[in-house]
Amino acid sequence: KNEVEQSPQNLTAQEGEFITINCSYSVGISALHWLQQHPGGGIVSLFMLSSGKKKHGRLIATINIQEKHSSLHITASHPRDSAVYICAVRSANFGNEKLTFGTGTRLTIIP
Amino acid sequence: DTGVSQDPRHKITKRGQNVTFRCDPISEHNRLYWYRQTLGQGPEFLTYFQNEAQLEKSRLLSDRFSAERPKGSFSTLEIQRTEQGDSAMYLCASSLGDIPKSYGYTFGSGTRLTVV
Repeated sequence: KNEVEQSPQNLTAQEGEFITINCSYSVGISALHWLQQHPGGGIVSLFMLSSGKKKHGRLIATINIQEKHSSLHITASHPRDSAVYICAVRSANFGNEKLTFGTGTRLTIIP
Repeated sequence: DTGVSQDPRHKITKRGQNVTFRCDPISEHNRLYWYRQTLGQGPEFLTYFQNEAQLEKSRLLSDRFSAERPKGSFSTLEIQRTEQGDSAMYLCASSLGDIPKSYGYTFGSGTRLTVV
């Protein structure tokens, strides 16, 4: 079992729909990242969370430390939101700086 | 500062050849990371530097792989005697952090390696 699991793996929705992508992890963490990757492109960091909720434009990220679960929401989705969304966690172990990634959720927004 | 730069963006090489990639992090970032991403998978950790010191290496980093970060600025990742299984996107990221709290990562656009 992977330390970081994302669901769904693929998601297709109509423009304007509310999107939710889920991430569950099995290890203690110091931070969780939500990242966006376009085809052939690099990775853009969307959020870094250690508790609670963050909002940036139409994107909202929440985390529940007790349940080891995080969600990424997109309101009023748009075709330009089509990308792979990746959840990554940083271990709570002191000095362990690397990220462990989920396999990503491929989002396609249809006009 | 234009963010994390990686060079080249694409590299096609014949099996058995050596390749070297470069990463220029954000100038004030003291931490630099290399990850590898194969098709359909999330990135996997390869190695990590704090300033010029290489602090952690993944078991994925076989003895054909070597990474350096002289003077704590740019970093290079070299793969010797490339194999077809080395074909992947190689991602570099940097961050600024004071132990024990670290700040968000900034990723480069990656170098896509194809070994033929």
